[in-house]
Amino acid sequence: GAVVSQHPSWVICKSGTSVKIECRSLDFQATTMFWYRQFPKQSLMLMATSNEGSKATYEQGVEKDKFLINHASLTLSTLTVTSAHPEDSSFYICSGIAGPSTDTQYFGPGTRLTVL
Amino acid sequence: EDQVTQSPEALRLQEGESSSLNCSYTVSGLRGLFWYRQDPGKGPEFLFTLYSAGEEKEKERLKATLTKKESFLHITAPKPEDSATYLCAVQAGSTSYGKLTFGQGTILTVHP
Repeated sequence: GAVVSQHPSWVICKSGTSVKIECRSLDFQATTMFWYRQFPKQSLMLMATSNEGSKATYEQGVEKDKFLINHASLTLSTLTVTSAHPEDSSFYICSGIAGPSTDTQYFGPGTRLTVL
Repeated sequence: EDQVTQSPEALRLQEGESSSLNCSYTVSGLRGLFWYRQDPGKGPEFLFTLYSAGEEKEKERLKATLTKKESFLHITAPKPEDSATYLCAVQAGSTSYGKLTFGQGTILTVHP
């Protein structure tokens, strides 16, 4: 199956700082990537959809100025949490789709963000 | 609005005790139904995609089936390593490309 990596796997930061999370597709070109967040004992909630070279499409209720998404290449998407606050602490997971001939999302291992 | 409901919320089985997980869905034009397995602290791992009613797919001890209103994930003779959260998700034809709506998941625990 297709492999997606995320870096870092966990990060602790102080309130008010910004954190960048990288998502890479290792063995396929991801024309579309997605970012999710997952709170404890809850399911995945889609935050945004990004297509390579285009602006991300954010879900209702997700602040686009707080969660900056860049999809600069077919193998890399980044999520930057700006001015992080404790309520942003969560498990962030990315996924990618390997092109128009398939619609299966392959997920990364996730990044645990803790804001102190 | 697309909705996915999984039941039961949690399931405890003895090793070798077969059972089924349910995923009921309401979507405006099903494009695909997906099953994933998620281990604690990890991202979801892809299991199956089903596209039309009557379709079945198998992988080792797992078998997924699809009707017009629900999907079942059958687990035959489970082992402790099958313990995980199983997530069901749907992709509607009316939504943007690839967008998934997830259910809350079923936490499966298999005791030796």
